[in-house]
Amino acid sequence: GEDVEQSLFLSVREGDSSVINCTYTDSSSTYLYWYKQEPGAGLQLLTYIFSNMDMKQDQRLTVLLNKKDKHLSLRIADTQTGDSAIYFCAFSLSGGYNKLIFGAGTRLAVHP
Amino acid sequence: DAGVTQSPTHLIKTRGQQVTLRCSPKSGHDTVSWYQQALGQGPQFIFQYYEEEERQRGNFPDRFSGHQFPNYSSELNVNALLLGDSALYLCASSWGTGNTGELFFGEGSRLTVL
Repeated sequence: GEDVEQSLFLSVREGDSSVINCTYTDSSSTYLYWYKQEPGAGLQLLTYIFSNMDMKQDQRLTVLLNKKDKHLSLRIADTQTGDSAIYFCAFSLSGGYNKLIFGAGTRLAVHP
Repeated sequence: DAGVTQSPTHLIKTRGQQVTLRCSPKSGHDTVSWYQQALGQGPQFIFQYYEEEERQRGNFPDRFSGHQFPNYSSELNVNALLLGDSALYLCASSWGTGNTGELFFGEGSRLTVL
């Protein structure tokens, strides 16, 4: 079935790079997304990648997609305390009317 | 440029009651999707509205219904509330029904059922 798996927790030191990983099951997915959620807030779209791309870079964010292994990662360079949040990986199904399948989220904790 | 706006932000209901949540899409968007996010979980797709019709539905019972208005805003209705309906309800807007990367969420409506 449709599923997304993420590790639940990641702790990094301020200034280091963070890498959040995600695996998904659907091979026909078209877009893959990373969303950020701060406590008590909605979802903030960080970035997305089309499934025929291997990499996308946007300022401090780098997304890598390994379609063969169905593995998606988000790298945050120079991680700051303001990056502390829950990060959700999601994919949209082919012809799926933008129906997104989400993982359970990875909680990123940034410490001094 | 206003993003996706939702109301109310918080509400408390009792079992058996009915609730209506509202969403205005981002300017330029015409499609609204609703998601339910239970505590500690990722959001789950409820349904999507385009051209005032429900286009796709997730695995939710008929107690969950919706509506889209000519100005593209949308309502989510939940009847006969259960304790398990307590969650953050998120609205997302986009343009058209096809898959695109531009899918933006609002801040959500947090529903507590007692």
